[in-house]
Amino acid sequence: AQTVTQSQPEMSVQEAETVTLSCTYDTSESDYYLFWYKQPPSRQMILVIRQEAYKQQNATENRFSVNFQKAAKSFSLKISDSQLGDAAMYFCAYSSLSGTYKYIFGTGTRLKVLA
Amino acid sequence: DAGVIQSPRHEVTEMGQEVTLRCKPISGHNSLFWYRQTMMRGLELLIYFNNNVPIDDSGMPEDRFSAKMPNASFSTLKIQPSEPRDSAVYFCASSPRVDPSTDTQYFGPGTRLTVL
Repeated sequence: AQTVTQSQPEMSVQEAETVTLSCTYDTSESDYYLFWYKQPPSRQMILVIRQEAYKQQNATENRFSVNFQKAAKSFSLKISDSQLGDAAMYFCAYSSLSGTYKYIFGTGTRLKVLA
Repeated sequence: DAGVIQSPRHEVTEMGQEVTLRCKPISGHNSLFWYRQTMMRGLELLIYFNNNVPIDDSGMPEDRFSAKMPNASFSTLKIQPSEPRDSAVYFCASSPRVDPSTDTQYFGPGTRLTVL
């Protein structure tokens, strides 16, 4: 069975600085998707970025980028030029392509942005 | 598009009462998911539907929980009878599931359920 691990329960970053959130996963599959979702205090789960495992190029979305290391089964999220609005819980998720399309979520990392 | 719509946003009820949570997925999406989020267990998938048919309900905690999707634009999650340990935030999500390249789940705002 697949698992997703986020080993950092909480992180802090100074406004305008860069922070990296870690995520590792375990799977025997070769093709899958990985996601980062953001959950601000409003509770809404917002997709931040998505990575297809068959793509070697790291996904980027404006100030958000990932470091996808397939062999190491690592999928970290880098937030550049951190803003106060980035403060939220961040969840890493894995999606299998074999049949069920179920998401497996990590336990989340709470990001605090310091002014 | 309005996104995934859930109602109510907040529900407070007493132990033993029936609770019904509602979800309207994004129009055109074929898959619908119900999640529960608690501090202790994080985000758990309860059940998901594809083309209105339940595909996997292995996450449903017990027989007190039931879910239906009578049509492509509406789903309910019912708890009867409710218990204090059911207190959580319940999310509904939908995805196109037309092609794996578009398999992103879009979440609703959640329903915060408190069972006294």
